[in-house]
Amino acid sequence: DGGITQSPKYLFRKEGQNVTLSCEQNLNHDAMYWYRQDPGQGLRLIYYSQIVNDFQKGDIAEGYSVSREKKESFPLTVTSAQKNPTAFYLCASSPRTGLSNQPQHFGDGTRLSIL
Amino acid sequence: AQGVTQPEKLLSVFKGAPVELKCNYSYSGSPELFWYVQYSRQRLQLLLRHISRESIKGFTADLNKGETSFHLKKPFAQEEDSAMYYCAHLTNTGFQKLVFGTGTRLLVSP
Repeated sequence: DGGITQSPKYLFRKEGQNVTLSCEQNLNHDAMYWYRQDPGQGLRLIYYSQIVNDFQKGDIAEGYSVSREKKESFPLTVTSAQKNPTAFYLCASSPRTGLSNQPQHFGDGTRLSIL
Repeated sequence: AQGVTQPEKLLSVFKGAPVELKCNYSYSGSPELFWYVQYSRQRLQLLLRHISRESIKGFTADLNKGETSFHLKKPFAQEEDSAMYYCAHLTNTGFQKLVFGTGTRLLVSP
């Protein structure tokens, strides 16, 4: 099956700890994205990557980091600098960025909570 | 600033009733708008986009530039339509990205 796989489904973070959320896609998409979903706030863009070895900050990048060493992988690290990390995190991909006829495909999400 | 507004957090209707999920946008130029849906225990997925002028699962959405709206409509709601619906807009400044509304939960009761 082609698609986006996020893992783990649930993740717990201790104070001062960095955690990494995995996102893998086998759709051969160039562009990948990370969103944060909070109740009543919709989806907000954290980081995006248009191509391998390139990534850009979204609207709420503070306290997060990413890498894009492979086309199919775009892991997100939630650092200890992120003071309010409890949220649902969604990864998405699209063939390219910014084209309305190439919609984004989403993963199942990872729910991060603080211990 | 460019954005979309979904004024209703929750919309509750009975099966067979008409449904209208509201979305207003603030944008200068020709907007590109989408509706995404998230059913229970399923991933977020594209429902429809205004450029296609299509009807998906009985839903339609017409762009009204005068009212700056892109409301999602269905004449007869079904229980399986119960889900979270997000209106989204593709920006045209710098990196083109999707900007999502806060979402409306639709509950269709039997």
